Amino acid sequence: EVQVVESGGGLVQPGESLRLSCAASGFTFNNYWMTWVRQAPGKGLEWVASVNHDGSEKYYVDSVKGQFTISRDNAQNSLYLQMSSLRAEDTAVYYCARHPAPGTVDCWGQGTLVTVSS
Amino acid sequence: DVVMTQSPLSLPVTLGQPASISCRSSQSLVHSDGNTYLNWFQQRPGQSPRRLIYKVSNRDSGVPDRFSGSGSGTDFTLKISRVEAEDVAVYYCMQGIHWPWTFGQGTKVEIK
Repeated sequence: EVQVVESGGGLVQPGESLRLSCAASGFTFNNYWMTWVRQAPGKGLEWVASVNHDGSEKYYVDSVKGQFTISRDNAQNSLYLQMSSLRAEDTAVYYCARHPAPGTVDCWGQGTLVTVSS
Repeated sequence: DVVMTQSPLSLPVTLGQPASISCRSSQSLVHSDGNTYLNWFQQRPGQSPRRLIYKVSNRDSGVPDRFSGSGSGTDFTLKISRVEAEDVAVYYCMQGIHWPWTFGQGTKVEIK
């Protein structure tokens, strides 16, 4: 079964850092681009970042450039999102998803909640 | 950034009746490879998003055939031919051609 499972969320104070992980299984991880999408409480979906098969290409939404870093470890079948200088507006459920083909994502996980609050 | 505009944002529908959601993009979603990278996602209450449609009109495996996607260029539509109770959800369009990828605001489908 194709599956991704996010972890690493929690309650942090403004200015702190957090690293999210996404464990993939059921598919050949290093064949796929991967993506992070977030959803603030009661709000819509926002694409955050994507990375190519080997980690050499990365794209970010402007609001997190210089603050978040997407990375992957193909040997561990894992995707990461390193988040620093967190702000209240980064509070959201963070989902990882697979790119089965260009221009699309599927196989969303259950998400991990990040809460930034003092 | 490409702006994706959905309408309506709220759609009360009678069970068994059709529903239609519009999604317009501020730029063409036609890639140089000839494909149009417009997706539709469904998010039921308390659940993760699920892809329904990719490349405008291709239905995912397991998606009922009452769901259909159409459109071209900058103008797209998701139709539900006969709404069922399990279709209560928020529906999002998303473009996957221009970085950053962007979603529409979401359309909430509810039963009247």
